[in-house]
Amino acid sequence: GAGVSQTPSNKVTEKGKYVELRCDPISGHTALYWYRQSLGQGPEFLIYFQGTGAADDSGLPNDRFFAVRPEGSVSTLKIQRTERGDSAVYLCASSLQGAAGANVLTFGAGSRLTVL
Amino acid sequence: DQQVKQNSPSLSVQEGRISILNCDYTNSMFDYFLWYKKYPAEGPTFLISISSIKDKNEDGRFTVFLNKSAKHLSLHIVPSQPGDSAVYFCAARAGGNNDMRFGAGTRLTVKP
Repeated sequence: GAGVSQTPSNKVTEKGKYVELRCDPISGHTALYWYRQSLGQGPEFLIYFQGTGAADDSGLPNDRFFAVRPEGSVSTLKIQRTERGDSAVYLCASSLQGAAGANVLTFGAGSRLTVL
Repeated sequence: DQQVKQNSPSLSVQEGRISILNCDYTNSMFDYFLWYKKYPAEGPTFLISISSIKDKNEDGRFTVFLNKSAKHLSLHIVPSQPGDSAVYFCAARAGGNNDMRFGAGTRLTVKP
């Protein structure tokens, strides 16, 4: 597609529920990133995929968070047993270069998750 | 830990004047610095970058200055326009690392 597409744009859930957030990167971009942006803060790195594999998942806060990219294109961020502190905007980004050079990321509009 | 800091949460300038947004960093391994601009309900969009081997990069109305000894960079917008009103994020990465670090952002308001 022309840009990075994220769905849903808004998700409200109850504490303890499971959620999935989807990211469709720019066609041809092999590198895909998930970031989390809490209120009043900048985006915080979660995980990076190069192709199908999670090349760096050091930013995932705990084992309730998991992400997949089975065919090297669309990615899904999965959050189990959601907590109120998980409320944030989850941003997906993609790039051509991966971890090289300036590595300009193209971001989607984000999925705003609210855990009640 | 806050490796990239934007100490001014907001800035207001008059249309036509210069906007200067500041950013400080602590990690001397950072070798690429980027500025992103974000409008409400949209993702951040790339604005301009600078490599650590340079001290200045210019693109139209936007200039980024890097002072490595002070671990400080700034974004200058001249002349400022109302459409520049947005949140500006400073970001940095060390070559080969995947986790680009972002500052907390500065909300710029350009008044007509």
